[in-house]
Amino acid sequence: ETGVTQTPRHLVMGMTNKKSLKCEQHLGHNAMYWYKQSAKKPLELMFVYSLEERVENNSVPSRFSPECPNSSHLFLHLHTLQPEDSALYLCASSQDRGGRLGYTFGSGTRLTVV
Amino acid sequence: LAKTTQPISMDSYEGQEVNITCSHNNIATNDYITWYQQFPSQGPRFIIQGYKTKVTNEVASLFIPADRKSSTLSLPRVSLSDTAVYYCLVGALLGRLAFGKGNQVVVIP
Repeated sequence: ETGVTQTPRHLVMGMTNKKSLKCEQHLGHNAMYWYKQSAKKPLELMFVYSLEERVENNSVPSRFSPECPNSSHLFLHLHTLQPEDSALYLCASSQDRGGRLGYTFGSGTRLTVV
Repeated sequence: LAKTTQPISMDSYEGQEVNITCSHNNIATNDYITWYQQFPSQGPRFIIQGYKTKVTNEVASLFIPADRKSSTLSLPRVSLSDTAVYYCLVGALLGRLAFGKGNQVVVIP
């Protein structure tokens, strides 16, 4: 257990479904991140939140919608996804945006779009 | 964003010391060097972080030469459970992590 908890661990959804991924941290960190890891590809940074404010959005399609209601929780809302969106989605947190003391990752949600 | 280059893969025998290298020629003055370990279907796990010279903790050592254009992660006496992908990252202060493809280390009995 890393201190960053992601649910669900596995998710299968159809292309017309709407689902949400949840991330929770109780490490007192102020920055949270969503990453996507596709097979055989490097991790791709999707979104960065610092003190509940979105500070980065790396050209992610609008079918992915993040939400950060407070510094401990981060959501990724999914709708009308494509099969190529199937991947491991990882949430991370850090004490601040600089990540000077390192980032703590959750175990990820394995998403399959059918 | 500083780019890193690592070997794609390497094998090592159980009980040996493993040294994993990383090149980061365009590292910036404010950048720290951080290494992560990732097992299949899990998130990366922080191993060690350094700025210059040598850093050691309970699991690894990190060697950084004076020009800081490269770094070496040293894992003493590896075991089968150290089989994983190891990432070297060079971070700016924007909170962005540029993960490369990492180095797949396979520990052989």
